[in-house]
Amino acid sequence: NAGVTQTPKFRVLKTGQSMTLLCAQDMNHEYMYWYRQDPGMGLRLIHYSVGEGTTAKGEVPDGYNVSRLKKQNFLLGLESAAPSQTSVYFCASASPTAETQYFGPGTRLLVL
Amino acid sequence: QKEVEQDPGPLSVPEGAIVSLNCTYSNSAFQYFMWYRQYSRKGPELLMYTYSSGNKEDGRFTAQVDKSSKYISLFIRDSQPSDSATYLCAMSAHGNFNKFYFGSGTKLNVKP
Repeated sequence: NAGVTQTPKFRVLKTGQSMTLLCAQDMNHEYMYWYRQDPGMGLRLIHYSVGEGTTAKGEVPDGYNVSRLKKQNFLLGLESAAPSQTSVYFCASASPTAETQYFGPGTRLLVL
Repeated sequence: QKEVEQDPGPLSVPEGAIVSLNCTYSNSAFQYFMWYRQYSRKGPELLMYTYSSGNKEDGRFTAQVDKSSKYISLFIRDSQPSDSATYLCAMSAHGNFNKFYFGSGTKLNVKP
């Protein structure tokens, strides 16, 4: 039981490049989330999904897209990376009653 | 005003001290309260979870919720250097499972 896993762990991008962050969970959770964490800002919700095939915008969705084609996977895409997207990205999943969340180890992204 | 306020610290204590970490919130609809521990360069891990008011104890950790004051606390007894981490509080309202509100985290340093 790996819990929530994220790939890659670290990535450097140039401005304008694209990339996809992958999140996988093996807890059969319905809900999945993408957050970014910046110093002094805490965790901010980018997008979330309440089930396979569904996605919704969070607090800071601009510049990101997501897809949830399979229940266990939640992908976060950056179509044209900007330096403001330099951050640590965390994926989380929530139990069926959604009382709490379980986080992945994070992806550190540096956009030059 | 932020939904959840948390003193960022840092909080520095000697080994063996009792540590008190706190958060205040403004939304009276919050029913679920969580504490996460985040080690440097790692993802948040769930430490304690409580529903509604009252206390919950788990080993050296005690979580306390005072809904009348909109105030939650995490107490760590006999603190250890291994407790050095950032502690995040989080909360959500019943039935609104896409919204988990996080504090910005308190950095704790336990000195040997």
